[in-house]
Amino acid sequence: SQTIHQWPATLVQPVGSPLSLECTVEGTSNPNLYWYRQAAGRGLQLLFYSVGIGQISSEVPQNLSASRPQDRQFILSSKKLLLSDSGFYLCAWSAGLAGEADTQYFGPGTRLTVL
Amino acid sequence: QKEVEQDPGPLSVPEGAIVSLNCTYSNSAFQYFMWYRQYSRKGPELLMYTYSSGNKEDGRFTAQVDKSSKYISLFIRDSQPSDSATYLCVQGAQKLVFGQGTRLTINP
Repeated sequence: SQTIHQWPATLVQPVGSPLSLECTVEGTSNPNLYWYRQAAGRGLQLLFYSVGIGQISSEVPQNLSASRPQDRQFILSSKKLLLSDSGFYLCAWSAGLAGEADTQYFGPGTRLTVL
Repeated sequence: QKEVEQDPGPLSVPEGAIVSLNCTYSNSAFQYFMWYRQYSRKGPELLMYTYSSGNKEDGRFTAQVDKSSKYISLFIRDSQPSDSATYLCVQGAQKLVFGQGTRLTINP
């Protein structure tokens, strides 16, 4: 069966500090990978998605970036965090099915607080 | 206008009640509709998905889509305290559009 891991689970960082969140998927090959942010009381905002190694699409221009160095590894980074970067960050994977619902499966999330 | 609109609640009902959660959508291009359940401080998990119009039942849960009115519903029968969570309605296929989520509490 497939599993998705995220770490760290929680993170408290000062404004202006760098960020690196990691997501890995087990039990599947060549998944589509996604990074979402969920602010308090708000829905999920898609930040980045990737259909393959080195292929990153950005949905929202901001000070965050994403990389996919390996097939089942997805990293979210920032060089300098802003207060507005606080939130619950979720990684998800899907099988990349075309012509039908490409169900996404979510990891446990990372709660980031920027002070 | 948001593409998928959902009343954020909170909604509080007694155990055993029938719960009705609702969403509206604006983009008719996408035919797949999903419901995710998210417990506090956890990632969302897929509950059900439907294609096009009609009903789909899975145990105590029934998902309903009315394309003519662009209305999506989730019904929970015999609600349990373990059903207390935030429910997200979702539209899309390869790219998903999430509603804001409705926070539901089932009181014992």
